[in-house]
This record gives sequence, structure tokens and C-alpha cells, in this order.
Amino acid sequence: GAVVSQHPSRVICKSGTSVKIECRSLDFQATTMFWYRQFPKQSLMLMATSNEGSKATYEQGVEKDKFLINHASLTLSTLTVTSAHPEDSSFYICSAREGSTNEKLFFGSGTQLSVL
Amino acid sequence: SQQGEEDPQALSIQEGENATMNCSYKTSINNLQWYRQNSGRGLVHLILIRSNEREKHSGRLRVTLDTSKKSSSLLITASRAADTASYFCATGSSGGSYIPTFGRGTSLIVHP
Repeated sequence: GAVVSQHPSRVICKSGTSVKIECRSLDFQATTMFWYRQFPKQSLMLMATSNEGSKATYEQGVEKDKFLINHASLTLSTLTVTSAHPEDSSFYICSAREGSTNEKLFFGSGTQLSVL
Repeated sequence: SQQGEEDPQALSIQEGENATMNCSYKTSINNLQWYRQNSGRGLVHLILIRSNEREKHSGRLRVTLDTSKKSSSLLITASRAADTASYFCATGSSGGSYIPTFGRGTSLIVHP
């Protein structure tokens, strides 16, 4: 099956720094990627939809200047948490699909962000 | 996008028993998918059932869909300790670009 690689798997940073998370589709071209945030024992909250070559579409309540998303190629999307604060600590997961109507999602293994 | 809601929130069973979890949704769908998440990991696609299907099997998994009740169930037969995970449903609506959203999931613990 298709593979989505996400890294780093875990990052600890100081408050005020920026953190970049990468999501790569390894064996298919992902025209659309999704970024989710998950708190312990909670659902995945969709943060934004990333389309290759265009601006990301952010969900209501998600600050686009805080969570910068770049989808510059068909195999790579990045999420940058800018000026991270302790409340940004969470589990971030990306997923990708091939084509706009392909229904199956392939997920990365997630990134646990801890902001001190 | 639509959000499915799973129940129960938590389920604890012994190895060998069957596990049943349910998903309810609110509007018309084109398909419904079940995913599994091991602790601290991403989600893995398990099975997709379309709105014109009533039942689907994959190994020890059996999924049913009742569009009149807007509900689906996932049955795991002869459960194993390795089935311990959280299970989520996601729905796709008719027409438009498919953007799945997830509920809180069912946390399944299978005791050896």
C-alpha cells in the first residue's frame, strides 16, 4: 500500500522557537494532504487542507500565520508551527490522498510536539 | 465534510471475544470508512463501505451500513491482544471533494 512518511516523530523545543514538520508521500503523488491535531484520547481535529501549488485551506479557528503550511511539490507538504508556546504541544498527524476524489487516506506516523 | 461519532467510547474484552463498535452520522453519505490508530501512531485504513452496500467483510472484520438509520457497525471477531487500538469512522458525502473528519473513536482494549 501507499506510504506516507512524517518526521520528526518527536520534537521538544523551547517556547518562542519555530518547528517544521514534514510529510512525504513515498510512492504516489499526493495532490491533497491534510494536517490534523490530536490531544490525548481525543479525536483528530482537521487543521487545514493542503493542495499542491496553491494556498492551504484552513479550518475555522486555526491561525494560518501560526501554522504555516507549504505544499510545494506533489510529494511534500510541511507544517511549521511558528513561535511555539506550551499550548501548541500536541500530536500532529498528516495524511495524503492521490487525486481529489480518491477516498482512501494514507497517514503519517505522527509528530509529538512538546513545547517547554 | 461530515463527522461520524463512535460508540462506545471505550470497550474492554478478553482475547477470543468479539468486539462491536458503532458509528452514527447525520447527513447523506457516499461512503463510510473505518480506520484504526495504535497509541501514538497515525491511522491505518481498514475498510470502506459504499452507500449502496449493506455489509462488507475483510478477514476478521465485518462492517455493516444502515443508511436509513445513518449508522454503521464494525465487528472484530475472535479478537486478539494486537487488536488493542482506537477505531474511528469517517464519512464522505455525495459530490464534492472528499474531506474526511473523525469522531473521538472507540478505544478497544483486548486482554490476553
